[in-house]
Amino acid sequence: AQSVSQHNHHVILSEAASLELGCNYSYGGTVNLFWYVQYPGQHLQLLLKYFSGDPLVKGIKGFEAEFIKSKFSFNLRKPSVQWSDTAEYFCAVNARNQGGKLIFGQGTELSVKP
Amino acid sequence: DAGVIQSPRHEVTEMGQEVTLRCKPISGHNSLFWYRQTMMRGLELLIYFNNNVPIDDSGMPEDRFSAKMPNASFSTLKIQPSEPRDSAVYFCASRGSGGSTDTQYFGPGTRLTVL
Repeated sequence: AQSVSQHNHHVILSEAASLELGCNYSYGGTVNLFWYVQYPGQHLQLLLKYFSGDPLVKGIKGFEAEFIKSKFSFNLRKPSVQWSDTAEYFCAVNARNQGGKLIFGQGTELSVKP
Repeated sequence: DAGVIQSPRHEVTEMGQEVTLRCKPISGHNSLFWYRQTMMRGLELLIYFNNNVPIDDSGMPEDRFSAKMPNASFSTLKIQPSEPRDSAVYFCASRGSGGSTDTQYFGPGTRLTVL
């Protein structure tokens, strides 16, 4: 069965610090990869996604993620975080040949101190 | 574009009562997903539909849960009877016809509290 693992449950950073959130998945076939963000009290919004091509994907708000197939990883990065990036971040995977079923990681809560 | 619409936004009910959650997907989208979010289990897919047909309901916890999609613009998730452990935020998401590479757009969620 597919699974998604996010290594950090809670990350605390100061503004302007660099961010990297880890995501690993287990599935041997072709996958589509997503990062979603959930701001406090709001619904999930797509940050970025990868399904083919350049493994370095750029998303909204200065976020990017790199797909490393050999490591089954899709880590999220941002060079300089802002207080407004305080939110919960979810990595998600679906298998290309299994329709639309998204498997989510358990989420990483990011707190940015002003 | 109104996005995915869910109602009610908040629901407080007593154990044993029937609860119905509603979702209106984005117009033109042909896939609809129901998720549940809890602190303990995170985000779990309950069921999803393609073209109004249930495709995978393996995430539905038990027979107390049922979901329907009578047409392309409306879906319900029903819990009968409700129990305190059903307390969670229930999200509906819809997706266009691009298949698995397409983005799922989430609604604002329904926060359910069962007393």
